[in-house]
Parts: sequence; structure tokens; C-alpha cells
Amino acid sequence: AQRVTQPEKLLSVFKGAPVELKCNYSYSGSPELFWYVQYSRQRLQLLLRHISRESIKGFTADLNKGETSFHLKKPFAQEEDSAMYYCALLTGGGNKLTFGTGTQLKVEL
Amino acid sequence: DTGVSQNPRHKITKRGQNVTFRCDPISEHNRLYWYRQTLGQGPEFLTYFQNEAQLEKSRLLSDRFSAERPKGSFSTLEIQRTEQGDSAMYLCASSWGQTDTEAFFGQGTRLTVV
Repeated sequence: AQRVTQPEKLLSVFKGAPVELKCNYSYSGSPELFWYVQYSRQRLQLLLRHISRESIKGFTADLNKGETSFHLKKPFAQEEDSAMYYCALLTGGGNKLTFGTGTQLKVEL
Repeated sequence: DTGVSQNPRHKITKRGQNVTFRCDPISEHNRLYWYRQTLGQGPEFLTYFQNEAQLEKSRLLSDRFSAERPKGSFSTLEIQRTEQGDSAMYLCASSWGQTDTEAFFGQGTRLTVV
């Protein structure tokens, strides 16, 4: 069965420090992975997807099939990055998302 | 706000009562999804529609749950004989196209069963 694991419930970093939010997946098919973000009092929204290979708000994520990982990285954290981040795997023939439990990122001044 | 709209935003009900939630997707989005999120967990897939057809249901969706999407526009999720374990945030999302397109989420309906 498919599974997405985010080992950290909370990650606290100082402003300007590098950020890495970990995500590991388990899936027998060809993985399609996403990062969703939820800012305080806002709805869940797509941050980035691995197939687009783009950087959004300074965040990047590389799919590593050997390590079955899709870690989210940013070289210099900003205060506005504080939010809940969810890693998600597209499954069911592309019809549904399997989410991890999320990591709360807190950027301190 | 032209995004996905969910009503009500909050619902408190007594155990055993029936509740119904509504989701209005982004106009012309042909796919609509329902997810459930409990405290400390990520969203869990419940069901999805392509136009008016309900194409998949999770095993999480017991026979007390029913979802409809008449005419392929808005959708309703009904829970009959609510239980305390049904307390959760119910999220709706919509997307356009076939697969692998961005899903846009609503702000959710928070259900509390007392």
C-alpha cells in the first residue's frame, strides 16, 4: 500500500538558516509527488510538484527514487515561510492524493 | 473569492443526528474530491467525482456516509447517525482535466459531534 512519511511534526529554524523538510514515500508505481502548504487561517494550497522541477518561493524538491525521498529545501528561511507543510503522493491512477502527517515549520527571528 | 467554497464552515451536532455539507467547486472544474482530516493527521481521501459520476470511494467511507454531485456542479456529503469519531475537518477540492492536475482546496467544514 502507498504511504507518505514525514518524520518531523515540528521544525524550528532561525531566519536566514537553511530549511529541509523530510518526506519519504512507499509506492509500487511510478511516483508523482507534491508539496502542499497551509499558512495560518488559510486553505491548503499547492507549493510545488516534482514534475515541474521549478522553484517556488525559493523552495525546491528533488525526487530521489533510490532513497524514495522528496525532501523540501530552502537555503535561507524567511519569517513568512512559517506554515504547515504536507508531502503528498498521487495514487489511484492519478485520482487521489495520499498525504503525510505534515510538518509545522516555525521560523524564528 | 472564486475558489472552492464549503458550507457551513463549522457544524456542531449531537451524536446520532444527520449532517450535510456542501461544496461548490471552481466553475468548470470537472473533478471534485472529498477528504477528511483529523487532528495531527494529513488529509485522507474519501471519494471523488468526475462530472456527476462518483468513480471511487475509500474504505473510510462507511455506509453512513453518502456523497452526491447532481448535474456535475456542487456536491453534498451527508453523514447519517453521526458518531464522535466522525469529528474532523472535511475538505473539498476540485480540479480540471484528467489526472495529475492541481487540486484546489476549500477551507473545509469542521464537524464536532458531541
